[in-house]
Amino acid sequence: DAGITQSPRHKVTETGTPVTLRCHQTENHRYMYWYRQDPGHGLRLIHYSYGVKDTDKGEVSDGYSVSRSKTEDFLLTLESATSSQTSVYFCAISTGAVNTEAFFGQGTRLTVV
Amino acid sequence: RKEVEQDPGPFNVPEGATVAFNCTYSNSASQSFFWYRQDCRKEPKLLMSVYSSGNEDGRFTAQLNRASQYISLLIRDSKLSDSATYLCVVNILTGGGNKLTFGTGTQLKVEL
Repeated sequence: DAGITQSPRHKVTETGTPVTLRCHQTENHRYMYWYRQDPGHGLRLIHYSYGVKDTDKGEVSDGYSVSRSKTEDFLLTLESATSSQTSVYFCAISTGAVNTEAFFGQGTRLTVV
Repeated sequence: RKEVEQDPGPFNVPEGATVAFNCTYSNSASQSFFWYRQDCRKEPKLLMSVYSSGNEDGRFTAQLNRASQYISLLIRDSKLSDSATYLCVVNILTGGGNKLTFGTGTQLKVEL
């Protein structure tokens, strides 16, 4: 299995509180991605990174920020959590080369009450 | 319009049936294409890459039609263990690099 871990795996938080999810990889892959998965919507890209300090927005980036200060870690922050951000969050990594697959973490189940 | 579109299903088929999934993509900058499989409450995992020449892996055949911006997956002799959600994935080249975009997934249920 690819060396990718997400933490925490489960979290319950209150509306308005800040939350940070961590994705850690041991593969030295260039690309890292954050997705959220909700019923009826599939996996939607929040933000992604193509190198240290290089990030870009995905289709559902509002309310989220990211940081990548070193190759192995990609942090997703909800500055002020809302109930609409209750979801399962997946991190993925990829070399970025054409036709190479992405590997996913096991997901973080976040509930905002 | 979504960049990657799939029929959400569910597809309920008997064991041994042949089932086909389709996917369309809208961005002509799409570079590479994949089918992923996702089991309930698990992370997605690569099933197979998709090439213009078509590719086969056992009971699974994937096809890409760049002119029509269309991707397909055919599963022959379906097994109970094939029950899962199948995700069409497109790698789109942007100014910020490679953006992996997923369809909503097609749910398959194989029944006795």
